[in-house]
Amino acid sequence: DAGVTQSPTHLIKTRGQQVTLRCSPISGHKSVSWYQQVLGQGPQFIFQYYEKEERGRGNFPDRFSARQFPNYSSELNVNALLLGDSALYLCASSFFIFNTEAFFGQGTRLTVV
Amino acid sequence: DAKTTQPNSMESNEEEPVHLPCNHSTISGTDYIHWYRQLPSQGPEYVIHGLTSNVNNRMASLAIAEDRKSSTLILHRATLRDAAVYYCILRGNNDMRFGAGTRLTVKP
Repeated sequence: DAGVTQSPTHLIKTRGQQVTLRCSPISGHKSVSWYQQVLGQGPQFIFQYYEKEERGRGNFPDRFSARQFPNYSSELNVNALLLGDSALYLCASSFFIFNTEAFFGQGTRLTVV
Repeated sequence: DAKTTQPNSMESNEEEPVHLPCNHSTISGTDYIHWYRQLPSQGPEYVIHGLTSNVNNRMASLAIAEDRKSSTLILHRATLRDAAVYYCILRGNNDMRFGAGTRLTVKP
């Protein structure tokens, strides 16, 4: 079975632009979460979706938004990019939202110039 | 959110056991203790999790203190491929909140 897949793997954007990152969970998994990892730090929680509904949100500005589709894939959108948004964006999928093993993708490396 | 405290870094020799500690004094009764590790240039990887009893799997063992305020991840025989950042996370009715983790260096 395929693992969690994220696209694109790398991305370079200009300050002020908008970006959309995509995530396909493991087949059968209904929960997708998004994380931002700045170099040298642990991943920071952004959003959690389960059954197409937002179930959790981290401490990120409204420029960050996400959604989950009927096939459980997900998109993370970031508007008005800032230099500080440069990071590795990780997607994790799990079967349920409580206390189950999460599987992470390889991430999307976003560079804002 | 309940927080965890881990040493910033640890070193081990190859083929020797490694004990990675984690303190979580504010753990609630419904929080599970999860461990993940992150190898360079990869996403985090699940290692093990438990609630009250010690747990074993093919990757590691998890020893949980009787009062649940601390736990220890045990790698029985460290290999060079175990060099990674190890995260101890408390997971209840919310998503995972990572700390800075422990960077494990394995020396040949």
